Amino acid sequence: NAGVTQTPKFQVLKTGQSMTLQCAQDMNHNSMYWYRQDPGMGLRLIYYSASEGTTDKGEVPNGYNVSRLNKREFSLRLESAAPSQTSVYFCASSEVGEWRYNEQFFGPGTRLTVL
Amino acid sequence: KNQVEQSPQSLIILEGKNCTLQCNYTVSPFSNLRWYKQDTGRGPVSLTIMTFSENTKSNGRYTATLDADTKQSSLHITASQLSDSASYICVVSRTSGTYKYIFGTGTRLKVLA
Repeated sequence: NAGVTQTPKFQVLKTGQSMTLQCAQDMNHNSMYWYRQDPGMGLRLIYYSASEGTTDKGEVPNGYNVSRLNKREFSLRLESAAPSQTSVYFCASSEVGEWRYNEQFFGPGTRLTVL
Repeated sequence: KNQVEQSPQSLIILEGKNCTLQCNYTVSPFSNLRWYKQDTGRGPVSLTIMTFSENTKSNGRYTATLDADTKQSSLHITASQLSDSASYICVVSRTSGTYKYIFGTGTRLKVLA
């Protein structure tokens, strides 16, 4: 069981370039999330997918798009990268069920720098 | 406004010493509170979860407490080890609302030999 995997681990982009961050989970979870983590701030939700075939905006969705490719995979796309998108990006997944006990499992993160 | 505040921002202790991290929240409607440990360069990993009716929960040398009346939680680490050096994040979940997971900014703990 690999849990939640993310690729790439590191990426440097120039302003205006595009890229896709990949995320996959092998725990058969229904819900998946994309967060960004910036110094001095808590993790902020970019987009989430409550179940296969659905996606919803989170707290900071501007400049990003997502695709829930199937139950396992949830990708995050930056169409035109900006320096403000320099951050560490985490993908997470959780099961749908008794809400009180849902635990989010996080991937190792992608460290993105936009020059 | 739904917020989770943690203190201190950072903490340095000697190996073998105890420490307590604080989490205050103004999140409603409250569902549960989790403490996560985040090692440098890694994603957060859950340590404990506490629901409204639980006051104390332990996971090895980690003991979390919750006072739902004052909306405060603490994470006590006993006999610290070098491997405890990490960021500890308090996350409060809501039963409803758009953003169900509210994250604190974390406490960065460094344990020195």
